[in-house]
Amino acid sequence: EAQVTQNPRYLITVTGKKLTVTCSQNMNHEYMSWYRQDPGLGLRQIYYSMNVEVTDKGDVPEGYKVSRKEKRNFPLILESPSPNQTSLYFCASSGGNTDTQYFGPGTRLTVL
Amino acid sequence: QKEVEQNSGPLSVPEGAIASLNCTYSDRVSQSFFWYRQYSGKSPELIMSIYSNGDKEDGRFTAQLNKASQYVSLLIRDSQPSDSATYLCAVITGSARQLTFGSGTQLTVLP
Repeated sequence: EAQVTQNPRYLITVTGKKLTVTCSQNMNHEYMSWYRQDPGLGLRQIYYSMNVEVTDKGDVPEGYKVSRKEKRNFPLILESPSPNQTSLYFCASSGGNTDTQYFGPGTRLTVL
Repeated sequence: QKEVEQNSGPLSVPEGAIASLNCTYSDRVSQSFFWYRQYSGKSPELIMSIYSNGDKEDGRFTAQLNKASQYVSLLIRDSQPSDSATYLCAVITGSARQLTFGSGTQLTVLP
C-alpha cells in the first residue's frame, strides 16, 4: 500500500530534550515536506526537500532541522524543543509528474 | 507574498443541498490548485486537483478554476452528513512546489 508513515504519532516531552520525528514514504517520491498545524493559523510549511541531499526552508523553519540522506526518509529534528513548538505535525510527499502531496497521519507533539 | 484566502465559515447546509466553498489566491503565476478535506485530528485528504480554467467534476464534487480572477471553488452536490469536515484550499507556485494553504472552511451538513 502506497503511504506516508510518521513516528511517533503522539509525543509528550520537556523543554530542551532533543527529539526526532521520523517520516518515511514508499512511493519513490522526490519531494518531501514538513508542516505544522495550529488552531487559527492553518497548515504552515517548515522545511521541504526536492530530492536527496537537497533541503530548503519553508515559512516557519526556526527551531527545526531536517536531513534527507535517503529518498524515502525525511526526519524532523527539534534539537531544543520549546513549548511554542507544541503542535500537530504532518509530513507529505509528492513525485512523478504530479504536484499532488500525500500526507502522513500526523504527530501530535506536546512540549512542557 | 503568497496568500490563499477562503470564505469564512463555518458553513452549514441541509442534507441533500449544494455546498459551495470559495478560495482566492494572490500569486498570478500559481499553476496547481487543490482541495483537501480534513476531519478533526486527521491528516488532509485530497479531494480534487485542478490545473486548467473551467470545471472539473468527480462524482459529487466539482472544482472550478478562473485564473483571470484568481479564484477557485469547490461545489459539493447532494451533501451528506459524512461530508462534514474542514475543507482546505491549497495552491502551488514556482519550481519549488511550495504548497500554500488557506485557513480552511468548516462545513457542517445537517441531517
